[in-house]
Amino acid sequence: KNQVEQSPQSLIILEGKNCTLQCNYTVSPFSNLRWYKQDTGRGPVSLTIMTFSENTKSNGRYTATLDADTKQSSLHITASQLSDSASYICVVSEASGTYKYIFGTGTRLKVLA
Amino acid sequence: EAQVTQNPRYLITVTGKKLTVTCSQNMNHEYMSWYRQDPGLGLRQIYYSMNVEVTDKGDVPEGYKVSRKEKRNFPLILESPSPNQTSLYFCASSGGSSYNEQFFGPGTRLTVL
Repeated sequence: KNQVEQSPQSLIILEGKNCTLQCNYTVSPFSNLRWYKQDTGRGPVSLTIMTFSENTKSNGRYTATLDADTKQSSLHITASQLSDSASYICVVSEASGTYKYIFGTGTRLKVLA
Repeated sequence: EAQVTQNPRYLITVTGKKLTVTCSQNMNHEYMSWYRQDPGLGLRQIYYSMNVEVTDKGDVPEGYKVSRKEKRNFPLILESPSPNQTSLYFCASSGGSSYNEQFFGPGTRLTVL
């Protein structure tokens, strides 16, 4: 069964610190992997999109990595800010053309002053 | 402003009373999709549409109907709502490639009593 698992479930860090969120998937065949940020009660907002041939993609202080061989991805947040407090969701798309997306349950990040 | 809109944003109804949640996008996107989000389960795809008059089932289509008569609109219909359909619903749209960024609406919180 196609699955996306994220860890940790929740994380608390101090403002200014870095953190890394993990995503493991079993989706096959694989098309692309996305990371979203979701503020409480709002729709997810895209951070990065990577195909199987891409290893790294950055968006400001957010850097995503992908290892298609081990089916692992990570999202690294640098110099965290209070506004980074949100849920971060890893999403994997099945093979190109199907438009079926498998969502992880997310990592809830809390940044404290 | 490019956006996905949903109406209503909040809805409380009773079991068996038919309802429709509207979704509209102004970006001329081919692809539209409906998701539901429940605590601990993440977002799950209900139905999606790759273009006008083309719809397909996602992972949890039971109890829902959709239609795509116009490119900009993709309503979600609950013919006979039940309490297990109480959830937070999101509509999303994107361009014609599964690699394109998905834009999510603000969400509709539905409670079925």
